[in-house]
Amino acid sequence: DTGVSQDPRHKITKRGQNVTFRCDPISEHNRLYWYRQTLGQGPEFLTYFQNEAQLEKSRLLSDRFSAERPKGSFSTLEIQRTEQGDSAMYLCASSLNWGVSNQPQHFGDGTRLSIL
Amino acid sequence: AQTVTQSQPEMSVQEAETVTLSCTYDTSESDYYLFWYKQPPSRQMILVIRQEAYKQQNATENRFSVNFQKAAKSFSLKISDSQLGDAAMYFCAYLIGGSQGNLIFGKGTKLSVKP
Repeated sequence: DTGVSQDPRHKITKRGQNVTFRCDPISEHNRLYWYRQTLGQGPEFLTYFQNEAQLEKSRLLSDRFSAERPKGSFSTLEIQRTEQGDSAMYLCASSLNWGVSNQPQHFGDGTRLSIL
Repeated sequence: AQTVTQSQPEMSVQEAETVTLSCTYDTSESDYYLFWYKQPPSRQMILVIRQEAYKQQNATENRFSVNFQKAAKSFSLKISDSQLGDAAMYFCAYLIGGSQGNLIFGKGTKLSVKP
């Protein structure tokens, strides 16, 4: 068990640029989640996948955000035309879920995005 | 809508003593789960303890235990014999049972441990 891996750890970019983050879940985990955490707040849900299917998206996920998990393994989160308000820590989590069994989510270290 | 409230932005405890962190939640669901997560500074968020709503018995994990009051919608975390390594942000989180997956977090409580 190598844990959830996120890349990069930090990203600094200018407003208006596009950025892409990657998440590698724990290998046998079929669910993958993205959260956003701003300073002084708890994480807020963005979206989640069951295998390669994106099952739910939060209203926080504007049309500038897109997430994929093409082969049901790693996932990418892309933000287009970044804005100051996108500055946050982006957390990825994964879990193993079968049917109605909700197993705990394991989190990665996060990617900290800073918009200049 | 489900909400999670942590009313203590910061708490402090002396090493080796006991501290209790508060959490209340609002839901109309009957099947759900509650969690406490720990987030040390600049480090990964890790699961501390989990409680299934259908279980009456309070969960315990070594020095960590919860006081789950379902009727009052309260879920407090007790840390016994506090250690310096317990210093972190603690987040209370809620998860609807069934097939849905996203956690709803409180704003967190920053715990300091004094030597």
